[in-house]
Amino acid sequence: SAVISQKPSRDICQRGTSLTIQCQVDSQVTMMFWYRQQPGQSLTLIATANQGSEATYESGFVIDKFPISRPNLTFSTLTVSNMSPEDSSIYLCSVEDQRQGARYFGPGTRLTVT
Amino acid sequence: GNSVTQMEGPVTLSEEAFLTINCTYTATGYPSLFWYVQYPGEGLQLLLKATKADDKGSNKGFEATYRKETTSFHLEKGSVQVSDSAVYFCALSTGNQFYFGTGTSLTVIP
Repeated sequence: SAVISQKPSRDICQRGTSLTIQCQVDSQVTMMFWYRQQPGQSLTLIATANQGSEATYESGFVIDKFPISRPNLTFSTLTVSNMSPEDSSIYLCSVEDQRQGARYFGPGTRLTVT
Repeated sequence: GNSVTQMEGPVTLSEEAFLTINCTYTATGYPSLFWYVQYPGEGLQLLLKATKADDKGSNKGFEATYRKETTSFHLEKGSVQVSDSAVYFCALSTGNQFYFGTGTSLTVIP
């Protein structure tokens, strides 16, 4: 299975600022996914990021708020823009092993907005 | 549409007790089924999977059998340990979409 790392692991940010989260995978993958997990909740898919094309956003998420970059097959970033306390969540990067059909997750970035 | 329903928690068990966490699904076609575990302060880890009816996934003493007739994938462990305390998520994949249950929190007390 892929090994996924994320930076930062946690951060406390002021309202109105932006934070960029980095995701690095130890192998080349076609699709990377960004999820949000609000406290005590399940996972919500924010967007799917394919290398070389624009990310595909799920209903309720927009590019202006969550811009995503995917410059190569092992790296992606998610930016949380103009943050408010409602953005306080865990943000998880994920990749899919197409042979196994399973998704693998990074350790998450724990964001608190004050 | 496709969905996963799992039993609500929290679940509290004594060490060495038997664990069952129920999961049922609704899906078109033939989905793959998964259990993920999230330990405190960590991301999700794949615990086990099954890709077709009657398959049994197993790992770390946990088991789940893909039951097409009852559309279920219940997670079981014969003797839980304190280190099993975590949140468990049932999930299904239809090939291009992934669906997660709401998660079941398990606390095992010594």
